[in-house]
Amino acid sequence: DSGVTQTPKHLITATGQRVTLRCSPRSGDLSVYWYQQSLDQGLQFLIQYYNGEERAKGNILERFSAQQFPDLHSELNLSSLELGDSALYFCASSVSGREQYFGPGTRLTVT
Amino acid sequence: EDQVTQSPEALRLQEGESSSLNCSYTVSGLRGLFWYRQDPGKGPEFLFTLYSAGEEKEKERLKATLTKKESFLHITAPKPEDSATYLCAVQAEGYQKVTFGTGTKLQVIP
Repeated sequence: DSGVTQTPKHLITATGQRVTLRCSPRSGDLSVYWYQQSLDQGLQFLIQYYNGEERAKGNILERFSAQQFPDLHSELNLSSLELGDSALYFCASSVSGREQYFGPGTRLTVT
Repeated sequence: EDQVTQSPEALRLQEGESSSLNCSYTVSGLRGLFWYRQDPGKGPEFLFTLYSAGEEKEKERLKATLTKKESFLHITAPKPEDSATYLCAVQAEGYQKVTFGTGTKLQVIP
């Protein structure tokens, strides 16, 4: 158990819908990272927050957004969902900005 | 742009048969190279961080080494429970983003 929690574990929704994924980092970690993992593309970095502020951005679509709240939990919002958005979404946290500790992931299925 | 290439894509070993996984990387100034283990449907589990060429780290049957262009994950006398996908990742100096390779899927047969 890494200490990072993610909810929900599974999410099934229809195309065009909007969903919110939630992540709670390890106690004391200020950085939160979001990744998307699909079978054909591996682990893709989406975005990072540090103590409430956006620090780095990867290949995150405009339909996706994230935020980190004062209690350090983070939410990833995915809107206008397409079939291709079906994937595992992982959250990771870090205290040093180097080693990252991953949560169990949310499996999103868009039908 | 940072790049990470892992080989082989898949590796099947008999229990006790030692081998190595390769991670070739291109980065403009290495801040850190990371190895993770990932079981199917689970989040990656952190194994090692290597910071500079010549550095080595060990954990049980795993040993990670680093050169200026590559890292190797040596697995000595593997057991079936070592079966997993092993991911390599790099972080460039001055950047927060970590770039992952696509992994080597290891299967250890009893």
